[in-house]
Amino acid sequence: NAGVTQTPKFQVLKTGQSMTLQCAQDMNHEYMSWYRQDPGMGLRLIHYSVGAGITDQGEVPNGYNVSRSTTEDFPLRLLSAAPSQTSVYFCASSYSQGTYEQYFGPGTRLTVT
Amino acid sequence: GEDVEQSLFLSVREGDSSVINCTYTDSSSTYLYWYKQEPGAGLQLLTYIFSNMDMKQDQRLTVLLNKKDKHLSLRIADTQTGDSAIYFCAEDAGNMLTFGGGTRLMVKP
Repeated sequence: NAGVTQTPKFQVLKTGQSMTLQCAQDMNHEYMSWYRQDPGMGLRLIHYSVGAGITDQGEVPNGYNVSRSTTEDFPLRLLSAAPSQTSVYFCASSYSQGTYEQYFGPGTRLTVT
Repeated sequence: GEDVEQSLFLSVREGDSSVINCTYTDSSSTYLYWYKQEPGAGLQLLTYIFSNMDMKQDQRLTVLLNKKDKHLSLRIADTQTGDSAIYFCAEDAGNMLTFGGGTRLMVKP
């Protein structure tokens, strides 16, 4: 199993540009989520999904969209990038709706200039 | 969010024990977790404790839970240089984890 994969590893955007961060898992996990990590603030939940076709907002959803058309994929879309979205983004998945033993991807480091 | 609090930094000598502390807020949390993050990597689940337990031991790791004070600690025995990393505690709030800000552990040879 590849586990949780994320692409790209690094990205630089200009303010106002849009892009999609990709996340995929091959463990047949129902629950997937996106976090952002900022220095000294731990990880904050952006959006999550409890299964294909179902998504919900986390703690900091503004400026981000998600969709879950398949069990495997959970892309995160930045609609109009802002410097405040400069961060490291982590995708995670777990077997069930509970958060027990989430598996994290390696992260995408995004810089918005 | 900052409902889960940790000290920012801890420095120990190789071979000593490390104790990383955490306070949380949600008394209904079912599980409490410790994650480890090495430089440039994602988070790796180290251990967890169920909320009806006081202590859990897993090789060099000991987790203590004081529900009355909402205090969680992680003790690493015989700390090695490979233990240098950022350690995050997290509480289970239903469909989401709430993380602390992380404690950077530095192990000096």
